[in-house]
Amino acid sequence: NAGVTQTPKFRVLKTGQSMTLLCAQDMNHEYMYWYRQDPGMGLRLIHYSVGEGTTAKGEVPDGYNVSRLKKQNFLLGLESAAPSQTSVYFCASSRGQGRTSIYGYTFGSGTRLTVV
Amino acid sequence: AQKITQTQPGMFVQEKEAVTLDCTYDTSDPSYGLFWYKQPSSGEMIFLIYQGSYDQQNATEGRYSLNFQKARKSANLVISASQLGDSAMYFCAMREGRGSTLGRLYFGRGTQLTVWP
Repeated sequence: NAGVTQTPKFRVLKTGQSMTLLCAQDMNHEYMYWYRQDPGMGLRLIHYSVGEGTTAKGEVPDGYNVSRLKKQNFLLGLESAAPSQTSVYFCASSRGQGRTSIYGYTFGSGTRLTVV
Repeated sequence: AQKITQTQPGMFVQEKEAVTLDCTYDTSDPSYGLFWYKQPSSGEMIFLIYQGSYDQQNATEGRYSLNFQKARKSANLVISASQLGDSAMYFCAMREGRGSTLGRLYFGRGTQLTVWP
């Protein structure tokens, strides 16, 4: 099925370890996003990309890095994981600019990350 | 200031009754879009309904309707004839139409809806 695929779905890290979350979409969407969801906080934007080779910071970018080397992939990296990064991470994509009535978002199924 | 405010952390409704979930938003952009998503306990984000700032009529999708009051900057979700399967977290979200924030989706903190028999 076409859509957004996130890997892995679950991960437990020790404090200080690094890891990369992969997001892949097959809809030829220009825009991609990484959100984190914490209880009582809704979804908050970490980083986003408006096209291949471009990235920008969102609301909560500290401790994360991203790369968009290929249009279909958006990687989220944690260089030195901290317990505060325990969260559920969602990737999303959208077609981007234009009439806001047309371009919705497609979300991945989420990655549950625990840092101990 | 928060872009999206959902003031009801939790709501309860009896099966077959209607329920309204509140959402207010803050933007100075004349072009914007408002979304509602459902997140069941399984965790996926399910798109429910969309309202554009220039849309003349309130959006409807089956049992879901959006009570859009532009002057009050509110976009309440109305679920008619609630079902047990409607029990979930509901998020209101907004995307502004232009400028440096183009494309970014701002979420509220969510409302946990529980439908009881």
